[in-house]
Amino acid sequence: DTEVTQTPKHLVMGMTNKKSLKCEQHMGHRAMYWYKQKAKKPPELMFVYSYEKLSINESVPSRFSPECPNSSLLNLHLHALQPEDSALYLCASSRGTVNTGELFFGEGSRLTVL
Amino acid sequence: KQEVTQIPAALSVPEGENLVLNCSFTDSAIYNLQWFRQDPGKGLTSLLLIQSSQREQTSGRLNASLDKSSGRSTLYIAASQPGDSATYLCAVIHGFDGGFKTIFGAGTRLFVKA
Repeated sequence: DTEVTQTPKHLVMGMTNKKSLKCEQHMGHRAMYWYKQKAKKPPELMFVYSYEKLSINESVPSRFSPECPNSSLLNLHLHALQPEDSALYLCASSRGTVNTGELFFGEGSRLTVL
Repeated sequence: KQEVTQIPAALSVPEGENLVLNCSFTDSAIYNLQWFRQDPGKGLTSLLLIQSSQREQTSGRLNASLDKSSGRSTLYIAASQPGDSATYLCAVIHGFDGGFKTIFGAGTRLFVKA
């Protein structure tokens, strides 16, 4: 099973809302990633968790708050977002050391901030 | 600083044609290189991963080659089909600040005409 599952597929939220994106993998991968992708652009790395600990934060604004409850789950908590945060949010996982193994992506969560 | 370039940005071919997508990188000291496919509004699907010690990888109608010395990788698609229409991204993994970093190219948008 080489699957990364993301929920919800679509999310619309106002600037005062609090919502969460969820990601799950059962491949035994110990590195998990959040990427943000704008239209016609490549994915941009936001956060990396390695063995359930935050390993990399690419200077992401605090209105994005990641959480890794266990080795299979990764959440991204959203609060007080701006319309420019509207994008496709992608979760990925890989085996072994951060950023060295084959990356497996989920289908993404399309976020619209009104 | 590692930079990844994909040329052409867009490509339209008739069904059945063999085609080559190009990926070039500026720093040859890479750890590995991965090719992805992305359908509109969807996540990235891993196609092929080439380790730095390898010269090529094959999967079905796809063949990816790697020439580190010249800073190039190519993705060869044989007998193209309309279902191959998608954006193809290459990603280079290289050493950075004691760890590793994944750098994506901007992608090549492929359209295969029936």
